[in-house]
Amino acid sequence: SQQGEEDPQALSIQEGENATMNCSYKTSINNLQWYRQNSGRGLVHLILIRSNEREKHSGRLRVTLDTSKKSSSLLITASRAADTASYFCATDRNNDYKLSFGAGTTVTVRA
Amino acid sequence: DTAVSQTPKYLVTQMGNDKSIKCEQNLGHDTMYWYKQDSKKFLKIMFSYNNKELIINETVPNRFSPKSPDKAHLNLHINSLELGDSAVYFCASSLGTGINSPLHFGNGTRLTVT
Repeated sequence: SQQGEEDPQALSIQEGENATMNCSYKTSINNLQWYRQNSGRGLVHLILIRSNEREKHSGRLRVTLDTSKKSSSLLITASRAADTASYFCATDRNNDYKLSFGAGTTVTVRA
Repeated sequence: DTAVSQTPKYLVTQMGNDKSIKCEQNLGHDTMYWYKQDSKKFLKIMFSYNNKELIINETVPNRFSPKSPDKAHLNLHINSLELGDSAVYFCASSLGTGINSPLHFGNGTRLTVT
């Protein structure tokens, strides 16, 4: 069954605004990863956050992890048109070596 | 240099045919994967190989058979294609088994079965 689910399914923002999307999962995890997929392309890894970490930054990206709520958020600050893409969270399960993806959040950044 | 390359990019075929998709990675990774992405963008793992050994085999019809001649290549052969097989198939690789290692994806093969 699907481990991670992203919310919202779609998000439309103006260039320069921030975009926030959430991921909820069902079972305990070792780590959680976020990926970006541009139209017609493969997924690109953005950030990996371990279960003992609460926050991680990479450039304009900020990821938080709340293991008590089994949720994570991805914040993109000062969005650009090039950020238009689908964003996926991926989780393992504590006793499972499979990386499971949700169906993603589609972000559209309007110029 | 393309890190994970898969061919063909597009594949249109009729029901009942047999087809193959090839994947090669030049990253020196030990683990390779096949994922299937449906029309709703849901990505599901199908198979994983680590150093040519099958380590993940999800509930996939046995019409799908992966083959890994060496750790840099993982091919996917599909027999007796059905309409429901239409999807985008992604090959990926990782240094480890994927839990602590980011996955590197190819650009996908869009399979259309008519």
